[in-house]
Order: sequence, then C-alpha cells, then structure tokens
Amino acid sequence: RKEVEQDPGPFNVPEGATVAFNCTYSNSASQSFFWYRQDCRKEPKLLMSVYSSGNEDGRFTAQLNRASQYISLLIRDSKLSDSATYLCVVKPSGTYKYIFGTGTRLKVLA
Amino acid sequence: SQTIHQWPATLVQPVGSPLSLECTVEGTSNPNLYWYRQAAGRGLQLLFYSVGIGQISSEVPQNLSASRPQDRQFILSSKKLLLSDSGFYLCAFLSGGIQETQYFGPGTRLLVL
Repeated sequence: RKEVEQDPGPFNVPEGATVAFNCTYSNSASQSFFWYRQDCRKEPKLLMSVYSSGNEDGRFTAQLNRASQYISLLIRDSKLSDSATYLCVVKPSGTYKYIFGTGTRLKVLA
Repeated sequence: SQTIHQWPATLVQPVGSPLSLECTVEGTSNPNLYWYRQAAGRGLQLLFYSVGIGQISSEVPQNLSASRPQDRQFILSSKKLLLSDSGFYLCAFLSGGIQETQYFGPGTRLLVL
C-alpha cells in the first residue's frame, strides 16, 4: 500500500462547480498535512496547511480525519485558473521527510 | 524574505556525462534542504535531504550524490548520467513555524539522451 494515495483524475468540472478531492495516508503517526498545487511544468506551491480542526482559505476548505486517515480538499465556485494538479503531502512525526502523493489533476472547463 | 534558486533551468546531457545542479537559499540560516525528482507524469521522489553542512541523508540507491558545502548551498551530482536520470529536479527548503512547510525552487528539467 502506498504511503499517500490520491485519485489521479482527471476531474473535469464546469466553471462554478464545487469539487472535492480525498487523500488517504497509511502512517497513523503522521503529524503534519498539506495541500500543494502544481501547474504544468512548474514547481509545487503550497496551497494550504491542514489543521486538525479543519481550515478554510477563501474558496478552499481542507479537512483532516485522523480516525480514517484521510484529508480532503474542497474547492467551491471553481475558476478556470484552478486547473492544475493538487498534491497531498504528509509528514510523519519524528522524521524530516515529507511524503507526496502522485496528485489529482483538475480541469475546470468554460 | 526567504527565497530559493536553482540553476540551470533546463539541461540536455548525453548518457555517461557528469552532472552538477545547484540550489541556494537566501533569507534563512541552517535550513533543512531537500532534493526531489519528478519523472514525467509521476509523483515527487525524495532523493536526498540535509539538516546541516556536510550532513546528507540518501533515500534511494542510485548513481546520484549530494553535497552541502555551505549552509545555504545544496548540490546534486552524478559522475555518469543514465537515461533513467531524466526528469524534473526540485530543490526545497523547510520554513520554520508552527507547521513547518516546504518551499520549492523553480526546478531543473534534465533530459539525458
């Protein structure tokens, strides 16, 4: 089983739609969680950290479910500019390593 | 502010040639530094990380090596490139704070022919 698993997609959604991605992780000792966004042929950029109580940043909402070992990302009112690959990242406790999922590709269609 | 630089941006090298990719960080001291590779259509693979000058941890066996000659400089090298070394090489540093976060450089796209 992969340490971090994501549905590769692509998720094709119309502008204005709400879309949600899930990411599961295998290490129950995981400590920190993040969502990154990666545009084609560019470096990953931090979208948001994921806190235990859940957090929201504008149209983006992240949730953490430790019992089921998954994190989620909800995007409301999708924009064309949201088209990208979204990477789930997990950091186990006691390590300097960050484990990246292979990403979920989102295409927002006009 | 903290910034991270990588060069070159793109590189085409023949099989068997040497490689040297450089990464430098500004605006922070004694950062944790990372080298990743992303093959076409694949996820990020951690290659090396360093928590200080001269300290290198290797994650996967390969013909690559890393060095950290200065606090804010991280170098990825190879004596002889293989076709399978082609990919997108990303350097990252760890930002402090309550939830330490990785920030990436712009990357080097390497094509080995």
